[in-house]
Amino acid sequence: KAGVTQTPRYLIKTRGQQVTLSCSPISGHRSVSWYQQTPGQGLQFLFEYFSETQRNKGNFPGRFSGRQFSNSRSEMNVSTLELGDSALYLCASSLTGTTDQPQHFGDGTRLSIL
Amino acid sequence: AQSVAQPEDQVNVAEGNPLTVKCTYSVSGNPYLFWYVQYPNRGLQFLLKYITGDNLVKGSYGFEAEFNKSQTSFHLKKPSALVSDSALYFCAVRVSGDGSARQLTFGSGTQLTVLP
Repeated sequence: KAGVTQTPRYLIKTRGQQVTLSCSPISGHRSVSWYQQTPGQGLQFLFEYFSETQRNKGNFPGRFSGRQFSNSRSEMNVSTLELGDSALYLCASSLTGTTDQPQHFGDGTRLSIL
Repeated sequence: AQSVAQPEDQVNVAEGNPLTVKCTYSVSGNPYLFWYVQYPNRGLQFLLKYITGDNLVKGSYGFEAEFNKSQTSFHLKKPSALVSDSALYFCAVRVSGDGSARQLTFGSGTQLTVLP
């Protein structure tokens, strides 16, 4: 069974641009979560989606948004990019999103802002 | 708010020796605890979880962890370390229900180095 797939793996943008990251969960998984990983702040929760509905949102500015499609694939968008948005963005999926289930992570998209 | 502490940024151990990576947590309610491992340029890989029941849980690659409710700890252990165990280890916690408490909260990570 294929794992969580994130595209692209690497991305370079400049300040002020916007970016869209994509995540395909494990087949049959309906819950998708997104995390930002930086050396200074560690792993921080961005959003959680289940059946196309946002269930939870972390403490990030409105420039960060996401959505989930009917096939459970998810995208996150960051507008008006800032230098501090440089990070590894990780997507994780689980079967039904109940909190006792482990999340399965993709290898991430490394976003660099110049 | 829930939180996780991994008091050691770096743990070094000789190959063949037992290893312990420490984790303490703070939540309101019953915790669901997880350990993940991250290799360079990769995502996080699930090792094991504690939900309820036996305080000693066994996971992948010979790892195990002991849940201690009175000390609010969930230390990761392995009886005999391998060089290939060298990686970044994260402890994480969440609770049941809705709202912010359901999000997975991670510790800051512990870099484990197993010396040959």
